[in-house]
Amino acid sequence: DTGVSQNPRHKITKRGQNVTFRCDPISEHNRLYWYRQTLGQGPEFLTYFQNEAQLEKSRLLSDRFSAERPKGSFSTLEIQRTEQGDSAMYLCASSLKEIDRVLPEAFFGQGTRLTVV
Amino acid sequence: QKEVEQDPGPLSVPEGAIVSLNCTYSNSAFQYFMWYRQYSRKGPELLMYTYSSGNKEDGRFTAQVDKSSKYISLFIRDSQPSDSATYLCATFISNFGNEKLTFGTGTRLTIIP
Repeated sequence: DTGVSQNPRHKITKRGQNVTFRCDPISEHNRLYWYRQTLGQGPEFLTYFQNEAQLEKSRLLSDRFSAERPKGSFSTLEIQRTEQGDSAMYLCASSLKEIDRVLPEAFFGQGTRLTVV
Repeated sequence: QKEVEQDPGPLSVPEGAIVSLNCTYSNSAFQYFMWYRQYSRKGPELLMYTYSSGNKEDGRFTAQVDKSSKYISLFIRDSQPSDSATYLCATFISNFGNEKLTFGTGTRLTIIP
């Protein structure tokens, strides 16, 4: 399967615990995005990377959230001291930026569903 | 006001009917207009996108953009039960520092056999 892969698919954690999610993008894609989606809402942008550089972070991304893409390939999203409000689907997407333009097609993974109890 | 507004539905239509899904947006700088389909508990799947105003057709699906009224539409002809899903419209700007998708809330569609 050459699509975007996310692990784990589901995560249940107790409030106050730390969690980490992983995203493996399509191999030739240099852009990687994280979104969060709650029930009945569209995905909301969290952050994105161009190769290993984190270029933008949403104000939704509090200090408890950190994302990395250390070698410009896979990415991790960590949430520290989880709260019940963090319960959501966390989606990763990848796309390709060419030298002179960004292609709008972003391909999503199946998401990681987080439940904080 | 959200940058992209979409009627959440739900919308139910009989099999074979023409479906019309719509969104409005507020930022005239948006350049690309996307439609994603999302099945329950799955990630969004890109259906099609258009650049600027006009129509684009792909099989039973037609995307339409009117930039003068900031209106985005998706038409599904000969709807099938397998089309039952949530449809998300999204916009995209290809300018440095703002290169991300902005989504509507999604419209939940059910095709009744």
